[in-house]
Amino acid sequence: NAGVTQTPKFRVLKTGQSMTLLCAQDMNHEYMYWYRQDPGMGLRLIHYSVGEGTTAKGEVPDGYNVSRLKKQNFLLGLESAAPSQTSVYFCASSYPRGDLTDTQYFGPGTRLTVL
Amino acid sequence: QQPVQSPQAVILREGEDAVINCSSSKALYSVHWYRQKHGEAPVFLMILLKGGEQKGHEKISASFNEKKQQSSLYLTASQLSYSGTYFCGTEIRYNNNDMRFGAGTRLTVKP
Repeated sequence: NAGVTQTPKFRVLKTGQSMTLLCAQDMNHEYMYWYRQDPGMGLRLIHYSVGEGTTAKGEVPDGYNVSRLKKQNFLLGLESAAPSQTSVYFCASSYPRGDLTDTQYFGPGTRLTVL
Repeated sequence: QQPVQSPQAVILREGEDAVINCSSSKALYSVHWYRQKHGEAPVFLMILLKGGEQKGHEKISASFNEKKQQSSLYLTASQLSYSGTYFCGTEIRYNNNDMRFGAGTRLTVKP
């Protein structure tokens, strides 16, 4: 099993450009999450999904959109990138949170720089 | 509200012990601990639930003080492999899918 994979690993954008980050998991997890990690800030939840076709806002959703068309994929979109969106983005997945002994499994991250 | 972790950084020699704290201003339902190596994804260590027991993982254990809304991670007889940044993640209620993470504690273990 590959676990959680993210594409691309690195990306440089100019202000105003758009892009999509792809997250894929092969663990048949229902829940998927997108986080951003900034120095000294820890991980902050952007959006999450509790199942195919459903999405919800997290702590810092502004400037991002997401889609979950297939259970195994969770896409994060930036319509008009801003320098404030320079960050490392992590995707995670888990079983339904009703099983609290389980955990979130994280992907390797995508380092995004917006110039 | 993000939980507050302390200390921000700690340097140890192999075999020494360390304690990392995670405090919240809100009543907590659960606390999750992760370790992240530089340039890698966070890896789950353990979860502590309100009213639950102290959990352990190898020589790493943790406790959850519900009255103080604080969790502590104990690393005993530290090994070089323990180096990394430790994060706590907190949930204020069951199944709310909105985990808040602390800023992290950077642990360096030297030979």
